[in-house]
Amino acid sequence: GQQVMQIPQYQHVQEGEDFTTYCNSSTTLSNIQWYKQRPGGHPVFLIQLVKSGEVKKQKRLTFQFGEAKKNSSLHITATQTTDVGTYFCAGRNSGGSNYKLTFGKGTLLTVNP
Amino acid sequence: DAMVIQNPRYQVTQFGKPVTLSCSQTLNHNVMYWYQQKSSQAPKLLFHYYDKDFNNEADTPDNFQSRRPNTSFCFLDIRSPGLGDAAMYLCATSRDRASYEQYFGPGTRLTVT
Repeated sequence: GQQVMQIPQYQHVQEGEDFTTYCNSSTTLSNIQWYKQRPGGHPVFLIQLVKSGEVKKQKRLTFQFGEAKKNSSLHITATQTTDVGTYFCAGRNSGGSNYKLTFGKGTLLTVNP
Repeated sequence: DAMVIQNPRYQVTQFGKPVTLSCSQTLNHNVMYWYQQKSSQAPKLLFHYYDKDFNNEADTPDNFQSRRPNTSFCFLDIRSPGLGDAAMYLCATSRDRASYEQYFGPGTRLTVT
């Protein structure tokens, strides 16, 4: 079955440093979504990437979808304490039952003020 | 304002005693999902309803059942909870299942004693 690997599992940064989390799928994806889950909270949708090589920005967050549509990354520039949380990628297969979102294990980001 | 509501937020049940968790939505979305999330892990899809059509995941134990009496409500029934079923249970909705983002409720934390 489809597997979505996400690294690193944990990342601790000083406020102001950059942060990147990477996501790799064992299969080609039709689209990939990113969610943020604050400690004690629930996942909140950030963005969806659909096209090969797509890059989207949301303020200090930059999302990329690989050319082969099998990998993705989330980069945060100049982290702030409000960025603390677990970032999950979630991918959908490109064929067959393409409804299911398979979540990566997430990257827990902590920020030292 | 709440879009996906889960009740109760915390549930304590005894080993083997049936329990029902509820989810309601004000978004009029076609799809409702139930996820299980254990500490520091990714959400794991248990099943989903696409309108009235129930879709079970192959690895979801028979102990877990679901009902969707109407568009707005969906229930998760755990027939005989075991200690391993202690987790956060997240309900999510989406407009459709192929490419739309999922809106998560706040979750119900289930404790089994």
